[in-house]
Amino acid sequence: GESVGLHLPTLSVQEGDNSIINCAYSNSASDYFIWYKQESGKGPQFIIDIRSNMDKRQGQRVTVLLNKTVKHLSLQIAATQPGDSAVYFCAEKGGSQGNLIFGKGTKLSVKP
Amino acid sequence: NAGVTQTPKFQVLKTGQSMTLQCAQDMNHEYMSWYRQDPGMGLRLIHYSVGAGITDQGEVPNGYNVSRSTTEDFPLRLLSAAPSQTSVYFCASSSGQSQETQYFGPGTRLLVL
Repeated sequence: GESVGLHLPTLSVQEGDNSIINCAYSNSASDYFIWYKQESGKGPQFIIDIRSNMDKRQGQRVTVLLNKTVKHLSLQIAATQPGDSAVYFCAEKGGSQGNLIFGKGTKLSVKP
Repeated sequence: NAGVTQTPKFQVLKTGQSMTLQCAQDMNHEYMSWYRQDPGMGLRLIHYSVGAGITDQGEVPNGYNVSRSTTEDFPLRLLSAAPSQTSVYFCASSSGQSQETQYFGPGTRLLVL
């Protein structure tokens, strides 16, 4: 079946270091992927997305890498700041109805 | 723009009661959806709509009804609340009829006793 999972449920990094959050997906037909950030008590906030015809996409301090060969997605956050502390979700568009399928999330904690 | 708004922010219900969770967006988005978020389960799609007058079921539709009489509003109705429906509910919208780049509301916390 379709699944979106995360390799690490929690990640703790030092302020200023780079963070890498990983995500595995199982549906090779998925053509769109997206990362969300969710702070405590708030709704998910869009970070960055990527289509399957791309390997890499960069935003402000964030980069998403897509490896279709091993069905792996990663989110890189440069110079991680305390404000980056949150739960990060990946999602793929590949459900039977073209719906987004969300992973369970990785909690990122940034130590000052 | 206010974006996606949800009311109420928090609600306590007794088993068997019914209620409506409100969702509105002012971005003229065609696509709207409802998710529930449970600990360790991520976000699961309940119902969605690709435009006014059109709704469809998601992954976990049982116990919920929706309607889309206008582009702006997409209410979620719990017909007879059950403790298993205790969750945080998020409404989202996106432009066009696609689910891509959805914008989420702040959520409604529901506790069913």
